[in-house]
Amino acid sequence: DTAVSQTPKYLVTQMGNDKSIKCEQNLGHDTMYWYKQDSKKFLKIMFSYNNKELIINETVPNRFSPKSPDKAHLNLHINSLELGDSAVYFCASSRRGVANTGELFFGEGSRLTVL
Amino acid sequence: GENVEQHPSTLSVQEGDSAVIKCTYSDSASNYFPWYKQELGKGPQLIIDIRSNVGEKKDQRIAVTLNKTAKHFSLHITETQPEDSAVYFCAPPAAGNKLTFGGGTRVLVKP
Repeated sequence: DTAVSQTPKYLVTQMGNDKSIKCEQNLGHDTMYWYKQDSKKFLKIMFSYNNKELIINETVPNRFSPKSPDKAHLNLHINSLELGDSAVYFCASSRRGVANTGELFFGEGSRLTVL
Repeated sequence: GENVEQHPSTLSVQEGDSAVIKCTYSDSASNYFPWYKQELGKGPQLIIDIRSNVGEKKDQRIAVTLNKTAKHFSLHITETQPEDSAVYFCAPPAAGNKLTFGGGTRVLVKP
């Protein structure tokens, strides 16, 4: 059983389109995250939810909108896609906030390519 | 926010040799120091971590050492094997309950 699963794994789309990436964790964790990894492998946090409540919202364009229907799911919707949005997006979860437990469990990533 | 620097950015070692990666951070309040390993096509995975009341921690061929005064911690891999080839990230926590990842070190172990 995959602990943190995200779909789709690959996504190729045209500029200006809207797309969503879904994430689910079966670890019973309270906190979930979206990270963006660019072509140089830099990993940057975008959002974090704790029990469906947004707790971290980094400087991310309004075109990105996370949604957490319950604490096991965190989806990412992106409007009006731009070339610079091309990256690998990772979903992650942790038992509580990272400062308490330390360990993040990552999904396998969703590679988004905007043409 | 936390300023994290990782060196070197790439490291090529012969199988059986040791590898050392250093991570320097700026937030003196940091008290948790993890290292993550990312294999090709996968998400990062925690391999070892240390808390600020301990100076060194070892787990088989990997170890982490911490120097809180100098604000750096290091990952040591001994007797490297081809499966150690990956990108390694340090990730000390910053204020606001989030890990700040270093720029990554690409390690290549040559057979």
